[in-house]
Amino acid sequence: KNQVEQSPQSLIILEGKNCTLQCNYTVSPFSNLRWYKQDTGRGPVSLTIMTFSENTKSNGRYTATLDADTKQSSLHITASQLSDSASYICVVSARGTYKYIFGTGTRLKVLA
Amino acid sequence: DTEVTQTPKHLVMGMTNKKSLKCEQHMGHRAMYWYKQKAKKPPELMFVYSYEKLSINESVPSRFSPECPNSSLLNLHLHALQPEDSALYLCASSHTGGNTEAFFGQGTRLTVV
Repeated sequence: KNQVEQSPQSLIILEGKNCTLQCNYTVSPFSNLRWYKQDTGRGPVSLTIMTFSENTKSNGRYTATLDADTKQSSLHITASQLSDSASYICVVSARGTYKYIFGTGTRLKVLA
Repeated sequence: DTEVTQTPKHLVMGMTNKKSLKCEQHMGHRAMYWYKQKAKKPPELMFVYSYEKLSINESVPSRFSPECPNSSLLNLHLHALQPEDSALYLCASSHTGGNTEAFFGQGTRLTVV
């Protein structure tokens, strides 16, 4: 069964600190993995997208890694800001399908 | 232009009302999607259109009726909804195939009373 699991479910950190969010997936055949940021009540906004051959991709203070062998990905946020408070969702696509498999997300709260 | 525009942003409707949600994109994407998202849950796929044809219907009740009048527009017609249908409805678009990046709209917050 195609599944995407994320951890932790929620996380509270102080402004300026770094954090790492985890994503494990069992999606086959794998096509790509994306990380989205979603503010409450708003649509998800793409942070990164990685294919099988990519193992690191950065977008400003966000760095995503992908290990296709272990089927794990992480999203590292550097020097967190209050505006980083949101849900972070890992989404995996299976090749040849329109279906995106969503993880349940990590709710991040950054405190001043 | 990398925007997916959804209207209205908020909608309150009675169980006997008929209303429509609208979605528009001008990125040349030929795949468009409707998702339903309940609070603190991931989005759930409802429908996928590819080249203006319905490609996927995830066993959605017939009180939700999608329509794709052209390659830039996607509608979701609502009729006889139930209170449990209250949710954030998200539209997304992508180049054809699930292998490319999907862009999401800001959603329509629907409340059924």
